[in-house]
Amino acid sequence: KQEVTQIPAALSVPEGENLVLNCSFTDSAIYNLQWFRQDPGKGLTSLLLIQSSQREQTSGRLNASLDKSSGRSTLYIAASQPGDSATYLCADTGFQKLVFGTGTRLLVSP
Amino acid sequence: GAGVSQSPRYKVAKRGQDVALRCDPISGHVSLFWYQQALGQGPEFLTYFQNEAQLDKSGLPSDRFFAERPEGSVSTLKIQRTQQEDSAVYLCASSPSASEAFFGQGTRLTVV
Repeated sequence: KQEVTQIPAALSVPEGENLVLNCSFTDSAIYNLQWFRQDPGKGLTSLLLIQSSQREQTSGRLNASLDKSSGRSTLYIAASQPGDSATYLCADTGFQKLVFGTGTRLLVSP
Repeated sequence: GAGVSQSPRYKVAKRGQDVALRCDPISGHVSLFWYQQALGQGPEFLTYFQNEAQLDKSGLPSDRFFAERPEGSVSTLKIQRTQQEDSAVYLCASSPSASEAFFGQGTRLTVV
């Protein structure tokens, strides 16, 4: 059974700092790895999808990497902004279900 | 519409009342998922549809929970005899295949 863990649970940084969010999974037979953002009281917004044959994806200030052998994915956010404040979730998008981590709650202070 | 639409956005139910939550997936998406998210937790899988077929309902917490997608598009999650522990945000997602999933805004259910 796949288990997904995210560390840290919460992170507070000043504006402009580069930061890394970590996601680890127990089963390396991962299908795809998807990163989401969730604002308070809202649904999930897809940020990046890394397919199992890929090692990384980039979108603007975001870069996500996937290392299946070590069971890890990282989300790198460059030059953080207050608008980046949200909860970030990673998920193993298995064939018939997504398995989520518990998320990292990010606060970027002006 | 362009995205996954869920209704209602908010629902307050008295304990024991039945509720029905609706999900309109992105047109043409084969896969549809329901998730339950408790406060401060990650989403937990409830059930999965491929077109009209419910292929996995292993996450439904009890036989009070029932989901359907009769024509392979709109889906309804029904909760009978609601209890306080059913209070959560219910999220629906759709996907064109086994790839990127797109989520709706969710329905926040509060059972009083």
